[in-house]
Amino acid sequence: DAGITQSPRHKVTETGTPVTLRCHQTENHRYMYWYRQDPGHGLRLIHYSYGVKDTDKGEVSDGYSVSRSKTEDFLLTLESATSSQTSVYFCAISVTGNAYGYTFGSGTRLTVV
Amino acid sequence: TQLLEQSPQFLSIQEGENLTVYCNSSSVFSSLQWYRQEPGEGPVLLVTVVTGGEVKKLKRLTFQFGDARKDSSLHITAAQPGDTGLYLCAGESSNTGKLIFGQGTTLQVKP
Repeated sequence: DAGITQSPRHKVTETGTPVTLRCHQTENHRYMYWYRQDPGHGLRLIHYSYGVKDTDKGEVSDGYSVSRSKTEDFLLTLESATSSQTSVYFCAISVTGNAYGYTFGSGTRLTVV
Repeated sequence: TQLLEQSPQFLSIQEGENLTVYCNSSSVFSSLQWYRQEPGEGPVLLVTVVTGGEVKKLKRLTFQFGDARKDSSLHITAAQPGDTGLYLCAGESSNTGKLIFGQGTTLQVKP
């Protein structure tokens, strides 16, 4: 595919537990992003990274944290999962930021019960 | 806050028909991208338009960026069942540089 994989693809977890989603790329792209997709809301940016150890918040960052210790890996952590975080999570990568488009992973469907 | 409004939200048509999807905003964008997403997969980039008034064609798909760079349209000629999917527009904010996504248009093309 495009050299971006997300794991796990599906996860069910209980309210209050921590959850970590992983995004791995083999493209050596500088920029990486985490989005969530919900019906009626489209894709909303959670956090993004513009280099190793360089991250910033998006529009819906509350309850989420990220880490990027290597170029190829971008981790999204839900510190204490809530039902409102039930969603499909997508990771994306890009070469130079927004101008040339993003390559998305296949997504992680997370259910918090 | 910059918003992108897509219309229609849902579209169900017969094979062979033409259709147009609109993406509108009151804000100016540096560029505008169109993605197509199939169930269970991530969005896939179709095209990026950068210049006001720009028109790009991808086989039966025609993309246009408005002269003022506030709106865009996607026109599909002679739709086929393989065109079925969720179409998303995304604008690069001229203020923040981040991508802002529209809510999407779900297209169903019946054989």
